[in-house]
Amino acid sequence: GAGVSQSPRYKVAKRGQDVALRCDPISGHVSLFWYQQALGQGPEFLTYFQNEAQLDKSGLPSDRFFAERPEGSVSTLKIQRTQQEDSAVYLCASSPSRGLGNEQFFGPGTRLTVL
Amino acid sequence: AQTVTQSQPEMSVQEAETVTLSCTYDTSENNYYLFWYKQPPSRQMILVIRQEAYKQQNATENRFSVNFQKAAKSFSLKISDSQLGDTAMYFCAFMNLHANFGNEKLTFGTGTRLTIIP
Repeated sequence: GAGVSQSPRYKVAKRGQDVALRCDPISGHVSLFWYQQALGQGPEFLTYFQNEAQLDKSGLPSDRFFAERPEGSVSTLKIQRTQQEDSAVYLCASSPSRGLGNEQFFGPGTRLTVL
Repeated sequence: AQTVTQSQPEMSVQEAETVTLSCTYDTSENNYYLFWYKQPPSRQMILVIRQEAYKQQNATENRFSVNFQKAAKSFSLKISDSQLGDTAMYFCAFMNLHANFGNEKLTFGTGTRLTIIP
């Protein structure tokens, strides 16, 4: 079956531009996570959705970052007025439900480069 | 807050040998899971093995096994009979089961780059 997909795979933006990153989770998965992975580092949590509800956005680094999952499936991470420090790989992960330490299935990521 | 430490940025081992990757963590929680994820150069993160904190028995998955020392907060990964396809970044990760709103987010270490030498 299809795994988690993300688009675009690569994005180059000029400083100050807005970008939108898309995540298609595995069909039927309730939980969806966004992580930010800086070069040479481990992923860091950004935000979490349970179906369409954004239950935790404590990891979003600033109010320029916004995420949504309006119908409980596809999610979009939007970054407004991009800055150079936003350059990173953005990973999306989904899991079938909460509880029981479910495995998170990761997408290939979107590499964002801000010039 | 939880922290995860991987003190070996890079390791290399000859094919068919055994290698152990180290991980320590810090938490005040008692109910959690620990994971090892593999990230090959293509970047897609793959689960290698998972350990439930309340289980004393160490998890094993084929050539992969863990040494879980709860009191010492240590969670090392042993790869036996290493293969060229094991070359990847390996991340240790912590999941707290008592997070608010059921958010079972992962807290990752900084990773260990493992190279298997032919």
